[in-house]
Amino acid sequence: AQSVTQPDIHITVSEGASLELRCNYSYGATPYLFWYAQSPGQGLQLLLKYFSGDTLVQGIKGFEAEFKRSQSSFNLRKPSVHWSDAAEYFCAVVPEGSGAGSYQLTFGKGTKLSVIP
Amino acid sequence: NAGVTQTPKFQVLKTGQSMTLQCAQDMNHEYMSWYRQDPGMGLRLIHYSVGAGITDQGEVPNGYNVSRSTTEDFPLRLLSAAPSQTSVYFCASRTRGLLGETQYFGPGTRLLVL
Repeated sequence: AQSVTQPDIHITVSEGASLELRCNYSYGATPYLFWYAQSPGQGLQLLLKYFSGDTLVQGIKGFEAEFKRSQSSFNLRKPSVHWSDAAEYFCAVVPEGSGAGSYQLTFGKGTKLSVIP
Repeated sequence: NAGVTQTPKFQVLKTGQSMTLQCAQDMNHEYMSWYRQDPGMGLRLIHYSVGAGITDQGEVPNGYNVSRSTTEDFPLRLLSAAPSQTSVYFCASRTRGLLGETQYFGPGTRLLVL
């Protein structure tokens, strides 16, 4: 079955430290990939997305993600974390070949990020 | 633009009661959807609509009804609430045209069923 896996349920980092959140998918072809952030009590905000081309994608708030086909991964990174980055992060995929009109997002279970001042 | 709005923000129901969660968007988006978020489960799709008059089921549709009479509104109805429906509900919208268009989420409705 197709799935999205975020192996880490909770990660704690110190402010200023680097961050990498893992995401793996189990689709046969290259899916369309997204990362969302959810601050406490808020809705989801899109950080970045990957469709094709350059495998290193730049997003908002200094986030980037790298698509690695050989590892079926799309890990989210940030060189220096700020206290305001504390949130829950969700990886989501759309299987390649999905219709443009009715494609569905499948979400991972999320990784909660805590930031120590 | 207000974006995607949801009402109420919080609701407590008794088992068996019915209610409607409201969702509206002012971006003229064709595609709208409802998700529920439960701890450790991520977001799961309940129902979605690709335009006025067209709805379809998602991953977890049981116990929920939807309709789409206008482009702007996409209400979610619980006909007989159950404790298993305690969750946070998110409405989302996007344009239909391009694959991968950004999906915009509302702030959520927290529902507690006793």
